[in-house]
Amino acid sequence: GAGVSQSPSNKVTEKGKDVELRCDPISGHTALYWYRQSLGQGLEFLIYFQGNSAPDKSGLPSDRFSAERTGGSVSTLTIQRTQQEDSAVYLCASSLGRQVTSNQPQHFGDGTRLSIL
Amino acid sequence: AQTVTQSQPEMSVQEAETVTLSCTYDTSESDYYLFWYKQPPSRQMILVIRQEAYKQQNATENRFSVNFQKAAKSFSLKISDSQLGDAAMYFCAYTMSGGSNYKLTFGKGTLLTVNP
Repeated sequence: GAGVSQSPSNKVTEKGKDVELRCDPISGHTALYWYRQSLGQGLEFLIYFQGNSAPDKSGLPSDRFSAERTGGSVSTLTIQRTQQEDSAVYLCASSLGRQVTSNQPQHFGDGTRLSIL
Repeated sequence: AQTVTQSQPEMSVQEAETVTLSCTYDTSESDYYLFWYKQPPSRQMILVIRQEAYKQQNATENRFSVNFQKAAKSFSLKISDSQLGDAAMYFCAYTMSGGSNYKLTFGKGTLLTVNP
């Protein structure tokens, strides 16, 4: 597609359930990023992929969070045993090259709004 | 650690007027990139304008321009001839050049309202 695609757009689930969020980056973009946006806050970096490997997972808030990327394309962010504090908008971005520059910025999807009851 | 501060949680402007959104950042790096992103209710983060720290000339994109003051570590966004479609949350973002420059650091945002 023309842009970064995320699904589902909205997800409501009960506390304790597992959820999977999907990101389909712009075709040809080798770098992929996940961010979390809590209510009234800026974006918080979660994880970065270059190809299928994740050299930086430092932003994942706990071991309940994991992510993978396959075929250098689609990525899935999984949250196990969800808690209410996991409620947020999860945004995915992709960029053309290994490093972000002014000519290769990050392009964002519309995000998934996750609500934990 | 790098930090980005947007001191104005909310701003409003009359249609066709000019508004300036503030952003300051803290870094020990000499080379880096700065961005302004717009987030309308659709949630998609849209890149508005970008600036390389090594360039003294302020970036301009149509009605959007920046005032980049490197010594003061300030990066304000000016929107001229404001339009109703400019209403959105605006985020200032920073990334270093080289090394771990895949990681954007964002401010908390400024909510811009455009009054008809």
